[in-house]
Amino acid sequence: AQSVTQPDIHITVSEGASLELRCNYSYGATPYLFWYVQSPGQGLQLLLKYFSGDTLVQGIKGFEAEFKRSQSSFNLRKPSVHWSDAAEYFCAVGGSSASKIIFGSGTRLSIRP
Amino acid sequence: EAQVTQNPRYLITVTGKKLTVTCSQNMNHEYMSWYRQDPGLGLRQIYYSMNVEVTDKGDVPEGYKVSRKEKRNFPLILESPSPNQTSLYFCASSKGTSGQETQYFGPGTRLLVL
Repeated sequence: AQSVTQPDIHITVSEGASLELRCNYSYGATPYLFWYVQSPGQGLQLLLKYFSGDTLVQGIKGFEAEFKRSQSSFNLRKPSVHWSDAAEYFCAVGGSSASKIIFGSGTRLSIRP
Repeated sequence: EAQVTQNPRYLITVTGKKLTVTCSQNMNHEYMSWYRQDPGLGLRQIYYSMNVEVTDKGDVPEGYKVSRKEKRNFPLILESPSPNQTSLYFCASSKGTSGQETQYFGPGTRLLVL
């Protein structure tokens, strides 16, 4: 069965520090993988997505993610975080249909000044 | 501006009083869906619609109804709300119905059922 695990419920990093948010998935075939961000009081916005090809994908706002098939992971990274990156981040795995997308439980990111 | 709108944004109601949360998109998207977001559970799909007059149950459909009479609108109906339906609700849409599609989310509706 399809599933997504985000092991970290809440992470705090200092402004300017690097960031890595973890995502592990379970899926029978090659998955479609997404990262969405939810800023306070807002809906979710797509950061980046992976379907095939280069396993390192670039997204908006300076984020990138790397697909590692052997580890069933799709971790999100940013070299230097800004206070405006404080938000909740959701990893998602999609199947053959838009109706089959599964979201992780989210990781809340706080930024220390 | 391309967007998904939801109304109301905040709603307090009492058990058993029927309510409707509207959702509208101006992008001519084929696919629309409703999610509820609860702490520690992420987003769970309530209902989805592949096209006009085509709707189907998601993972947590109990207590909810939907309709898709027009392409742009996808209202969520709670016929007899109960306190366990207190949650944050999101409507989303995508251009097509494949798993590769980016979903565009509304701003959310926070519902409290007393």
